[in-house]
Amino acid sequence: EIVMTQSPATVSMSPGEGAILSCRASQSVSSNLAWYQQRPGQAPRLLIYDISIRATGIPARFSGGGSGTDFTLAISNLQSEDFALYYCQQYDRWPLTFGGGTNVEIK
Amino acid sequence: EVRLLESGGGLVQPGWSLRLSCAASGFTFSSHAMSWVRQAPGKGLEWISTISGGGDKTFDADSVKGRFTMSRDNSKYTLYLQMNSLRAEDTAVYYCAIINTRRGYYYQFDFWGQGTLVTVSS
Repeated sequence: EIVMTQSPATVSMSPGEGAILSCRASQSVSSNLAWYQQRPGQAPRLLIYDISIRATGIPARFSGGGSGTDFTLAISNLQSEDFALYYCQQYDRWPLTFGGGTNVEIK
Repeated sequence: EVRLLESGGGLVQPGWSLRLSCAASGFTFSSHAMSWVRQAPGKGLEWISTISGGGDKTFDADSVKGRFTMSRDNSKYTLYLQMNSLRAEDTAVYYCAIINTRRGYYYQFDFWGQGTLVTVSS
Protein backbone atom coordinates (compact mmCIF):
# COMPACT_ATOMS: atom_id res chain seq x y z
CA GLU A 1 0.00 0.00 0.00
CA ILE A 2 1.26 3.47 -0.86
CA VAL A 3 1.29 5.63 2.27
CA MET A 4 0.58 9.33 1.76
CA THR A 5 1.96 11.70 4.40
CA GLN A 6 0.82 15.32 4.58
CA SER A 7 2.51 18.14 6.38
CA PRO A 8 1.98 20.19 8.35
CA ALA A 9 -1.09 18.79 10.10
CA THR A 10 -2.28 22.34 10.74
CA VAL A 11 -1.24 25.67 9.31
CA SER A 12 -2.47 28.98 10.69
CA MET A 13 -2.75 31.79 8.17
CA SER A 14 -4.36 35.19 7.83
CA PRO A 15 -6.72 36.06 4.97
CA GLY A 16 -4.76 37.37 2.02
CA GLU A 17 -1.66 35.34 2.84
CA GLY A 18 -0.37 32.36 0.88
CA ALA A 19 0.05 28.77 2.07
CA ILE A 20 1.97 25.79 0.80
CA LEU A 21 0.82 22.31 1.76
CA SER A 22 3.01 19.25 1.31
CA CYS A 23 2.24 15.65 0.46
CA ARG A 24 4.76 12.82 0.27
CA ALA A 25 4.20 9.33 -1.12
CA SER A 26 6.02 6.27 0.20
CA GLN A 27 6.87 5.36 -3.40
CA SER A 28 6.57 7.05 -6.74
CA VAL A 29 3.00 7.71 -7.90
CA SER A 30 4.06 9.18 -11.25
CA SER A 31 1.59 11.96 -12.07
CA ASN A 32 -1.34 10.20 -10.41
CA LEU A 33 -1.98 12.66 -7.60
CA ALA A 34 -5.05 14.68 -6.67
CA TRP A 35 -5.99 17.26 -4.04
CA TYR A 36 -9.37 17.72 -2.37
CA GLN A 37 -10.84 20.42 -0.16
CA GLN A 38 -13.28 19.62 2.62
CA ARG A 39 -15.07 22.46 4.36
CA PRO A 40 -16.61 21.79 7.80
CA GLY A 41 -19.71 19.64 7.53
CA GLN A 42 -19.36 19.25 3.78
CA ALA A 43 -18.29 16.56 1.37
CA PRO A 44 -14.83 16.69 -0.17
CA ARG A 45 -14.46 18.57 -3.43
CA LEU A 46 -11.91 17.89 -6.16
CA LEU A 47 -9.45 20.74 -6.55
CA ILE A 48 -6.51 19.40 -8.56
CA TYR A 49 -5.77 16.20 -10.47
CA ASP A 50 -2.77 14.84 -12.36
CA ILE A 51 -0.58 16.90 -9.99
CA SER A 52 -1.40 20.31 -11.44
CA ILE A 53 -4.64 20.39 -13.44
CA ARG A 54 -7.36 22.42 -11.76
CA ALA A 55 -10.82 20.87 -11.73
CA THR A 56 -13.71 22.72 -13.31
CA GLY A 57 -14.55 25.92 -11.46
CA ILE A 58 -11.49 25.94 -9.22
CA PRO A 59 -9.90 29.40 -8.96
CA ALA A 60 -6.40 30.05 -10.24
CA ARG A 61 -5.17 30.83 -6.72
CA PHE A 62 -4.94 27.06 -6.24
CA SER A 63 -1.96 25.45 -7.89
CA GLY A 64 -0.41 22.02 -7.65
CA GLY A 65 3.16 20.93 -8.28
CA GLY A 66 5.78 18.29 -7.66
CA SER A 67 6.68 14.92 -9.10
CA GLY A 68 7.37 11.33 -8.17
CA THR A 69 6.98 11.26 -4.41
CA ASP A 70 6.85 14.92 -3.35
CA PHE A 71 3.96 17.20 -4.11
CA THR A 72 2.66 20.59 -3.07
CA LEU A 73 -0.60 22.50 -3.10
CA ALA A 74 -0.14 26.24 -3.08
CA ILE A 75 -2.98 28.57 -2.16
CA SER A 76 -2.36 32.26 -2.77
CA ASN A 77 -4.36 35.17 -1.39
CA LEU A 78 -6.33 33.04 1.07
CA GLN A 79 -10.04 33.79 1.06
CA SER A 80 -12.42 33.06 3.93
CA GLU A 81 -13.85 30.07 2.07
CA ASP A 82 -10.38 28.52 1.71
CA PHE A 83 -10.03 27.79 5.42
CA ALA A 84 -10.71 24.09 5.34
CA LEU A 85 -9.16 20.63 5.35
CA TYR A 86 -7.07 19.53 2.37
CA TYR A 87 -6.31 15.96 1.39
CA CYS A 88 -3.98 14.52 -1.21
CA GLN A 89 -4.74 11.17 -2.85
CA GLN A 90 -2.80 8.82 -5.08
CA TYR A 91 -4.39 6.78 -7.82
CA ASP A 92 -1.28 5.15 -9.18
CA ARG A 93 -2.13 1.75 -7.76
CA TRP A 94 -4.69 -0.09 -5.63
CA PRO A 95 -5.62 0.49 -2.91
CA LEU A 96 -6.33 4.14 -3.57
CA THR A 97 -4.99 6.03 -0.57
CA PHE A 98 -5.32 9.48 0.96
CA GLY A 99 -3.04 11.55 3.11
CA GLY A 100 -4.06 12.36 6.67
CA GLY A 101 -4.99 15.92 5.74
CA THR A 102 -3.81 19.45 6.45
CA ASN A 103 -6.08 21.86 8.26
CA VAL A 104 -5.76 25.44 7.06
CA GLU A 105 -7.08 27.55 9.90
CA ILE A 106 -7.49 31.25 10.46
CA LYS A 107 -4.72 32.81 12.55
CA GLU B 1 -26.61 19.29 -12.56
CA VAL B 2 -24.81 16.24 -11.18
CA ARG B 3 -26.32 14.96 -7.96
CA LEU B 4 -25.49 12.01 -5.71
CA LEU B 5 -27.76 11.34 -2.76
CA GLU B 6 -26.79 8.68 -0.25
CA SER B 7 -29.28 7.01 2.06
CA GLY B 8 -29.63 4.01 4.33
CA GLY B 9 -27.32 4.99 7.15
CA GLY B 10 -28.25 4.61 10.80
CA LEU B 11 -27.44 2.99 14.13
CA VAL B 12 -26.84 -0.75 14.09
CA GLN B 13 -25.34 -3.26 16.49
CA PRO B 14 -22.05 -5.05 15.88
CA GLY B 15 -22.52 -8.04 13.61
CA TRP B 16 -25.59 -6.64 11.93
CA SER B 17 -26.03 -5.77 8.26
CA LEU B 18 -26.97 -2.57 6.47
CA ARG B 19 -27.44 -1.58 2.84
CA LEU B 20 -26.56 1.90 1.65
CA SER B 21 -27.92 3.41 -1.55
CA CYS B 22 -26.72 6.27 -3.69
CA ALA B 23 -29.20 7.80 -6.12
CA ALA B 24 -27.53 9.48 -9.08
CA SER B 25 -28.85 12.10 -11.49
CA GLY B 26 -27.63 14.68 -13.95
CA PHE B 27 -25.24 12.43 -15.86
CA THR B 28 -25.21 9.15 -17.79
CA PHE B 29 -24.84 6.80 -14.85
CA SER B 30 -23.81 3.68 -16.78
CA SER B 31 -20.91 5.53 -18.38
CA HIS B 32 -19.21 6.23 -15.07
CA ALA B 33 -17.38 4.11 -12.56
CA MET B 34 -18.39 4.79 -8.98
CA SER B 35 -16.79 4.45 -5.58
CA TRP B 36 -17.55 4.47 -1.89
CA VAL B 37 -15.24 6.41 0.42
CA ARG B 38 -15.73 6.64 4.16
CA GLN B 39 -14.65 9.01 6.90
CA ALA B 40 -14.65 7.99 10.54
CA PRO B 41 -15.62 10.77 12.99
CA GLY B 42 -12.81 13.33 13.17
CA LYS B 43 -10.61 11.23 10.88
CA GLY B 44 -9.39 11.25 7.29
CA LEU B 45 -10.73 9.69 4.12
CA GLU B 46 -10.58 5.98 3.36
CA TRP B 47 -11.39 4.49 -0.04
CA ILE B 48 -13.32 1.25 0.37
CA SER B 49 -14.76 0.11 -2.96
CA THR B 50 -15.02 0.88 -6.69
CA ILE B 51 -17.26 -0.56 -9.40
CA SER B 52 -16.96 -0.19 -13.16
CA GLY B 53 -19.65 1.52 -15.21
CA GLY B 54 -21.07 -1.78 -16.39
CA GLY B 55 -20.84 -3.32 -12.96
CA ASP B 56 -18.64 -6.18 -14.14
CA LYS B 57 -15.52 -5.18 -12.20
CA THR B 58 -15.17 -4.32 -8.53
CA PHE B 59 -12.20 -3.40 -6.38
CA ASP B 60 -12.29 -3.50 -2.60
CA ALA B 61 -10.08 -2.39 0.25
CA ASP B 62 -8.73 -5.16 2.45
CA SER B 63 -10.55 -3.65 5.44
CA VAL B 64 -13.94 -4.53 3.94
CA LYS B 65 -13.14 -7.42 1.60
CA GLY B 66 -15.46 -10.35 2.24
CA ARG B 67 -17.86 -8.23 4.32
CA PHE B 68 -18.95 -5.40 2.02
CA THR B 69 -20.31 -5.78 -1.52
CA MET B 70 -20.72 -2.95 -3.95
CA SER B 71 -23.26 -3.20 -6.79
CA ARG B 72 -25.24 -1.00 -9.11
CA ASP B 73 -28.52 -0.94 -11.00
CA ASN B 74 -27.95 1.21 -14.05
CA SER B 75 -31.61 1.16 -14.98
CA LYS B 76 -32.41 2.81 -11.65
CA TYR B 77 -29.38 5.10 -11.59
CA THR B 78 -28.57 3.69 -8.17
CA LEU B 79 -25.44 2.46 -6.46
CA TYR B 80 -25.46 0.12 -3.48
CA LEU B 81 -23.18 -0.95 -0.67
CA GLN B 82 -24.21 -4.09 1.18
CA MET B 83 -22.42 -4.11 4.52
CA ASN B 84 -22.38 -7.33 6.55
CA SER B 85 -20.75 -8.29 9.85
CA LEU B 86 -20.45 -4.65 10.84
CA ARG B 87 -17.86 -3.66 13.42
CA ALA B 88 -17.43 -0.61 15.62
CA GLU B 89 -14.55 0.50 13.40
CA ASP B 90 -16.94 0.73 10.43
CA THR B 91 -18.56 3.74 12.09
CA ALA B 92 -18.17 6.55 9.57
CA VAL B 93 -19.82 8.85 7.09
CA TYR B 94 -20.04 6.95 3.81
CA TYR B 95 -19.72 8.96 0.61
CA CYS B 96 -20.46 7.78 -2.88
CA ALA B 97 -18.35 9.41 -5.56
CA ILE B 98 -17.87 9.44 -9.31
CA ILE B 99 -14.41 8.12 -10.09
CA ASN B 100 -12.74 9.20 -13.29
CA THR B 101 -11.67 6.50 -15.71
CA ARG B 102 -9.50 6.79 -18.78
CA ARG B 103 -8.33 3.99 -21.03
CA GLY B 104 -9.43 1.41 -18.48
CA TYR B 105 -7.55 2.98 -15.60
CA TYR B 106 -9.08 4.58 -12.53
CA TYR B 107 -8.17 8.08 -11.46
CA GLN B 108 -9.44 10.83 -9.18
CA PHE B 109 -12.83 11.24 -7.54
CA ASP B 110 -14.52 13.88 -9.64
CA PHE B 111 -17.70 14.43 -7.62
CA TRP B 112 -18.94 13.42 -4.18
CA GLY B 113 -22.32 13.03 -2.55
CA GLN B 114 -23.08 14.54 0.86
CA GLY B 115 -22.70 11.24 2.70
CA THR B 116 -24.71 9.10 5.09
CA LEU B 117 -23.68 8.30 8.66
CA VAL B 118 -23.36 4.70 9.79
CA THR B 119 -22.91 4.11 13.52
CA VAL B 120 -22.07 0.64 14.77
CA SER B 121 -22.56 0.38 18.50
CA SER B 122 -24.22 -1.82 21.08
